[in-house]
Amino acid sequence: EAQVTQNPRYLITVTGKKLTVTCSQNMNHEYMSWYRQDPGLGLRQIYYSMNVEVTDKGDVPEGYKVSRKEKRNFPLILESPSPNQTSLYFCASSSSGRALDTQYFGPGTRLTVL
Amino acid sequence: AQSVTQPDIHITVSEGASLELRCNYSYGATPYLFWYVQSPGQGLQLLLKYFSGDTLVQGIKGFEAEFKRSQSSFNLRKPSVHWSDAAEYFCAVGHNQAGTALIFGKGTTLSVSS
Repeated sequence: EAQVTQNPRYLITVTGKKLTVTCSQNMNHEYMSWYRQDPGLGLRQIYYSMNVEVTDKGDVPEGYKVSRKEKRNFPLILESPSPNQTSLYFCASSSSGRALDTQYFGPGTRLTVL
Repeated sequence: AQSVTQPDIHITVSEGASLELRCNYSYGATPYLFWYVQSPGQGLQLLLKYFSGDTLVQGIKGFEAEFKRSQSSFNLRKPSVHWSDAAEYFCAVGHNQAGTALIFGKGTTLSVSS
């Protein structure tokens, strides 16, 4: 089944404890992206990748890191999480190297930072 | 700067009634416009998109949207709403011609009453 998977789905952590949220897609997509969703703010892009080893900042990159060493994986790293990073995170991918093609979204990761 | 406005935060429609969700955009060039739907506890799914051509676009699940350049609008419509349409709806615009990102509106929550 074609899908985007994220792990974990739920995470409660404490300020400053490094964490990684994994994202994997099995559709051989070139474009991948991370978004955060907050009430009243909609979705805001954190980072995106147009292909392996090609990543760039979105609108809200502060406090996050990403890497794209393999086509299928695009992990989101929070080196020192803070409470303002409590949010619902979505990973997405599309077949071409662009966000303009249909993006397929993962189920989301709900992160709470205490 | 590009932006997307969804004026209605929450709309309630009776089952079987028609639906129109509003979206206004601000974009200097020809816009790439999208509607995504997020069912409770799920990731986003593309309903339809507009790049060029016919200004009335058909999507999945019986939805359609009309691009009106003079009004900078891309409203989503459905002639008869079903209870399963209850969800959050996001309008989005392509961030740039290179297509590296989308800007999402803040969303409209649709409730369906019986």
